[in-house]
Amino acid sequence: AQSVTQLDSHVSVSEGTPVLLRCNYSSSYSPSLFWYVQHPNKGLQLLLKYTSAATLVKGINGFEAEFKKSETSFHLTKPSAHMSDAAEYFCVVSPNAGNNRKLIWGLGTSLAVNP
Amino acid sequence: NAGVTQTPKFRILKIGQSMTLQCAQDMNHNYMYWYRQDPGMGLKLIYYSVGAGITDKGEVPNGYNVSRSTTEDFPLRLELAAPSQTSVYFCASSYGTSAGNEQFFGPGTRLTVL
Repeated sequence: AQSVTQLDSHVSVSEGTPVLLRCNYSSSYSPSLFWYVQHPNKGLQLLLKYTSAATLVKGINGFEAEFKKSETSFHLTKPSAHMSDAAEYFCVVSPNAGNNRKLIWGLGTSLAVNP
Repeated sequence: NAGVTQTPKFRILKIGQSMTLQCAQDMNHNYMYWYRQDPGMGLKLIYYSVGAGITDKGEVPNGYNVSRSTTEDFPLRLELAAPSQTSVYFCASSYGTSAGNEQFFGPGTRLTVL
């Protein structure tokens, strides 16, 4: 069965320090993987996506993620947190790289950024 | 380009009432989706559509109906509202379903059933 696990429900960092949000997935197929961000009372915005090209994916706002097949992981990182990064982050997997209709969503990681 | 729009933003219903959540997109996307997001949870797919006149059930379709008469619009109907349908509803669209076709989301409708 396909699944996605976000290993931390809540992460707190200080402004200017690195961010690491962890995501593991399980898929019988070669997956597509996404990170979405949701700011308070806002809709969802795509941060970045992996689609079987380069394993290191760069997204918006300085975020990047590395696809590691051997570890079935797709962790999200940012070198230096900004106050505006405080939001909910969702790791999403599309089990079949050729069909993203039925995305599987993680439960989310809430990122707090302290001044 | 407005993207994906949803109305209303907020709604309170009484048990047994019905309502339609509206969703429209102006990107000429073939695929549209309805999700619900419960507190502390990820999104769950209710229904989706691959084009005008074609819809299919997602993960949690019970209690909902959809129609897709045009490419632009994809309304979600609640016939007999129940407290279990209290949630935030997101509509999304995408150009296709091949790898890398991201889904674009509307701002959401926050529904409370009392």
